[in-house]
Amino acid sequence: QKEVEQDPGPLSVPEGAIVSLNCTYSNSAFQYFMWYRQYSRKGPELLMYTYSSGNKEDGRFTAQVDKSSKYISLFIRDSQPSDSATYLCAMGNTGGFKTIFGAGTRLFVKA
Amino acid sequence: GAVVSQHPSRVICKSGTSVKIECRSLDFQATTMFWYRQFPKQSLMLMATSNEGSKATYEQGVEKDKFLINHASLTLSTLTVTSAHPEDSSFYICSAVSDKTEAFFGQGTRLTVV
Repeated sequence: QKEVEQDPGPLSVPEGAIVSLNCTYSNSAFQYFMWYRQYSRKGPELLMYTYSSGNKEDGRFTAQVDKSSKYISLFIRDSQPSDSATYLCAMGNTGGFKTIFGAGTRLFVKA
Repeated sequence: GAVVSQHPSRVICKSGTSVKIECRSLDFQATTMFWYRQFPKQSLMLMATSNEGSKATYEQGVEKDKFLINHASLTLSTLTVTSAHPEDSSFYICSAVSDKTEAFFGQGTRLTVV
């Protein structure tokens, strides 16, 4: 079993839709949870960073962490074609911040 | 956010030669840097953890003699792919951890070995 599971998609939605991206994980020691956006042939860009459980909102993006279920989500409201990218969940624990990534979900937002 | 510069962004080399990739944290000190490898349509796979002033810690299956990592200062880590072969062709990405424990990524290096 992989430490982090993420559906690779692709996920195709119309412009303006609400997008839900999810990851599950197996290591209960993870405390830091991140979402990265990666455009083709570019390095990942940090979108959201959450410590422990709870919700965090930043503009059109909302990250949720449910440690009891070992489940994290990223919601994108009013999705735009420019949101088309691969979204990677990532997580880590204290002491060096070794990050484990999900496989990434390829998102297409159609105009 | 903080800036991590990775150089070169793209390199083509002949089989058997060595290639050095640099990762610099431009506006913060990074005691720890990570090196990842990404194959097409796959996720980032951690290769090694680099701590300033000490030997890198390699993940299982990563040859330390082939992928030489040097972290000589708090702002620079280098990855040298020695005796490169076509199967080493990949996208290599570094990340640097700030004192706030956030990880910032470089823009990646696309290595093609011909």
